[in-house]
Amino acid sequence: DAKTTQPPSMDCAEGRAANLPCNHSTISGNEYVYWYRQIHSQGPQYIIHGLKNNETNEMASLIITEDRKSSTLILPHATLRDTAVYYCIVRLESGNTPLVFGKGTRLSVIA
Amino acid sequence: GAVVSQHPSRVICKSGTSVKIECRSLDFQATTMFWYRQFPKKSLMLMATSNEGSKATYEQGVEKDKFLINHASLTLSTLTVTSAHPEDSSFYICSARKGTGALQQYFGPGTRLTVT
Repeated sequence: DAKTTQPPSMDCAEGRAANLPCNHSTISGNEYVYWYRQIHSQGPQYIIHGLKNNETNEMASLIITEDRKSSTLILPHATLRDTAVYYCIVRLESGNTPLVFGKGTRLSVIA
Repeated sequence: GAVVSQHPSRVICKSGTSVKIECRSLDFQATTMFWYRQFPKKSLMLMATSNEGSKATYEQGVEKDKFLINHASLTLSTLTVTSAHPEDSSFYICSARKGTGALQQYFGPGTRLTVT
């Protein structure tokens, strides 16, 4: 069963912020939200993760709602190189289970 | 960061032949390695999980006799596609984990297999 729901595709103008939503209404209290992206014909790349608080790193910001049922990944100034499929994954921080990928959102950054 | 390599990056083989894909963790010892398969415009699908020195655990619907996985050392896992057919053409991605944390799972660059 899918634990996350994402829009299949989004467009974003180059230089603008890209806001990618993710619904995870069944997330449990100790599950984290992880974001990965996959540029065409490459392996997945880690972006950011969080539990409750908003997080920011050099790549992106992650905004998690107070009820933790949804989150938004923000790429503050999208470039053409950010064109990729973005995956939102919820899982425990530790444990033996591998990362399981849903369908993701295909982000197209347009010049 | 940890580096995972795959070889070859691309391979073309004839129908009925076997092809081997290598996955190496270059700067760490991987307790567990995973193999994923990705068809065009689809998501990554987990095929199997392997621990060094033991038999791989395959996901439902993945034929273990067709996709042979060997994890002989803590830095090397191989996936052999036996008697390949055109429907096996896909992008195969390996992943290696050095701990139990989710962020401890690192991905290779993938191998594009084309069966003619």
